[in-house]
Amino acid sequence: DGGITQSPKYLFRKEGQNVTLSCEQNLNHDAMYWYRQDPGQGLRLIYYSQIVNDFQKGDIAEGYSVSREKKESFPLTVTSAQKNPTAFYLCASSITGPGGDTQYFGPGTRLTVL
Amino acid sequence: ILNVEQSPQSLHVQEGDSTNFTCSFPSSNFYALHWYRWETAKSPEALFVMTLNGDEKKKGRISATLNTKEGYSYLYIKGSQPEDSATYLCAFYGGATNKLIFGTGTLLAVQP
Repeated sequence: DGGITQSPKYLFRKEGQNVTLSCEQNLNHDAMYWYRQDPGQGLRLIYYSQIVNDFQKGDIAEGYSVSREKKESFPLTVTSAQKNPTAFYLCASSITGPGGDTQYFGPGTRLTVL
Repeated sequence: ILNVEQSPQSLHVQEGDSTNFTCSFPSSNFYALHWYRWETAKSPEALFVMTLNGDEKKKGRISATLNTKEGYSYLYIKGSQPEDSATYLCAFYGGATNKLIFGTGTLLAVQP
């Protein structure tokens, strides 16, 4: 089955800890994205990568970091510098860049900071 | 600041009703408009990607129209069914920004 997987589904973190959210795709897509969803807001772009070993900041990159060492994987680290990390995080991928290509989404990770 | 607005915010209809909702987006520098359906506890699923003014797309009982000159798209659902209950998201791509800009969604609840 082709698709995008995210793990874990739920994640709890103590304040001051870094945590890494996993995103893997087997669709052979070049581009991958991380979005954050907060109540009453549209999905907001954190980071995106159009090709291996390259990534760009989105609108709300502060306090987050990513890597793209393999085409299939785009992990997101939420650092202690992120002031309000409790949110729902969605990973997505597309064949090429973010414009006219359909984006395929994973099931999401809900992060709660205690 | 590019803004994408969806209305209404939520909608409750009876099974069998037809319904429609709106996505408004900047009318300049348009490139593409995406529609997604997001059911509870599932991943957002692509419905349509529309690029041409006047375009109409259809998938089963769901269809969408696009007016890039005035900056809006309509999503129609004919004969709503309970399984249509979901949040419907639109996303705009255009301008100088290299990303999709999402609206806040329309939450549709279809009562049996």
